[in-house]
Amino acid sequence: DTGVSQDPRHKITKRGQNVTFRCDPISEHNRLYWYRQTLGQGPEFLTYFQNEAQLEKSRLLSDRFSAERPKGSFSTLEIQRTEQGDSAMYLCASSLAPTGAGAETQYFGPGTRLLVL
Amino acid sequence: AQSVSQHNHHVILSEAASLELGCNYSYGGTVNLFWYVQYPGQHLQLLLKYFSGDPLVKGIKGFEAEFIKSKFSFNLRKPSVQWSDTAEYFCAVNRKTGRRALTFGSGTRLQVQP
Repeated sequence: DTGVSQDPRHKITKRGQNVTFRCDPISEHNRLYWYRQTLGQGPEFLTYFQNEAQLEKSRLLSDRFSAERPKGSFSTLEIQRTEQGDSAMYLCASSLAPTGAGAETQYFGPGTRLLVL
Repeated sequence: AQSVSQHNHHVILSEAASLELGCNYSYGGTVNLFWYVQYPGQHLQLLLKYFSGDPLVKGIKGFEAEFIKSKFSFNLRKPSVQWSDTAEYFCAVNRKTGRRALTFGSGTRLQVQP
């Protein structure tokens, strides 16, 4: 399978614990996005990388959240001191940055469902 | 900031009925428009996209959407739905320049009854 993969697919944790999620993008894609989706809502943007540079962070991304993409390939999203409000599906998407005035298409992974007890 | 509205939250249709799902966005600049679909137990998949050119775009599985710039709309249509179209449908938009993140609507759950 050459699509976007995410690990783990499900995570249950207790409030106050730290969790880390991993995303492996489509191999030639240089952009990687993180979104969060809660029940009954569409995905909301968290942050994105072009290669290893983190180019934008949403105000939804509190200080407890940190994302990395150290070698411009896979990315990790860490949540420290989890809260019940962090329970959501965390989605990763990747794309190929367009050349010139072209546009990009983001391809999504299956997501990591987090439940904070 | 841009926003996307999907006015139909839950639609129930019988097989062979025609489908139209509404999507309106608010943003003053030029945008790219997308419809994604999420089948039960599966991840988000691209259904179709509009970047430029012909405002009527065709996607997979017989879906099409029309971009009407004056109405800030990008409605999704299918002339005859099938039971297998049961899914959640999300409209999304991003800017042609500047911010690349997608802004999604809240989704429309489509249930097709056999």
